[in-house]
Amino acid sequence: SQTIHQWPATLVQPVGSPLSLECTVEGTSNPNLYWYRQAAGRGLQLLFYSVGIGQISSEVPQNLSASRPQDRQFILSSKKLLLSDSGFYLCAWSEGGTNNYGYTFGSGTRLTVV
Amino acid sequence: GQQLNQSPQSMFIQEGEDVSMNCTSSSIFNTWLWYKQDPGEGPVLLIALYKAGELTSNGRLTAQFGITRKDSFLNISASIPSDVGIYFCAGRRYNNNDMRFGAGTRLTVKP
Repeated sequence: SQTIHQWPATLVQPVGSPLSLECTVEGTSNPNLYWYRQAAGRGLQLLFYSVGIGQISSEVPQNLSASRPQDRQFILSSKKLLLSDSGFYLCAWSEGGTNNYGYTFGSGTRLTVV
Repeated sequence: GQQLNQSPQSMFIQEGEDVSMNCTSSSIFNTWLWYKQDPGEGPVLLIALYKAGELTSNGRLTAQFGITRKDSFLNISASIPSDVGIYFCAGRRYNNNDMRFGAGTRLTVKP
């Protein structure tokens, strides 16, 4: 069966420090991978998605970047965090192509920038 | 991108009451999905709908794919305290890179 792992679960970082959040998927190959951000009590904002190794699409211009160095690994990074980067970050995966199985989300990373 | 309008934003209900929430869009979607997010966790898929007019149940949950393909609703019957959370609708048009989420309905159930 497929599983998605996301870490760390919580992170407190000072303004101006770098960020690296990692997400890995097991039990499938060539998944679509997504990074979402959720502000407190708000909806889900798509940040990046990837349909393959090295292929990244950005939905919203921001202080963050994403990379996919391996088929089932998706990394969210920042060189210098801003206060506004605080939030709940969710990684998700789906089957590639046009099937209808929807997204499976990781358990999230709570990032607080202080 | 296409906007999904989800309502209500929040609901405060008594245990045992039924709940109804819905999602509308100005665009047509080919798949509608409903997710639930527990506090501090990622959303979990509850129900997926694939055909216009489809009515699907999952325990006390029932969801319908609107005939116009521009809306969907979720009903929860006989609510219990563990129903607390945020419910998100999601619509997918052509492929899995084209999923849009509603802003969520925050449900509070009073014992």
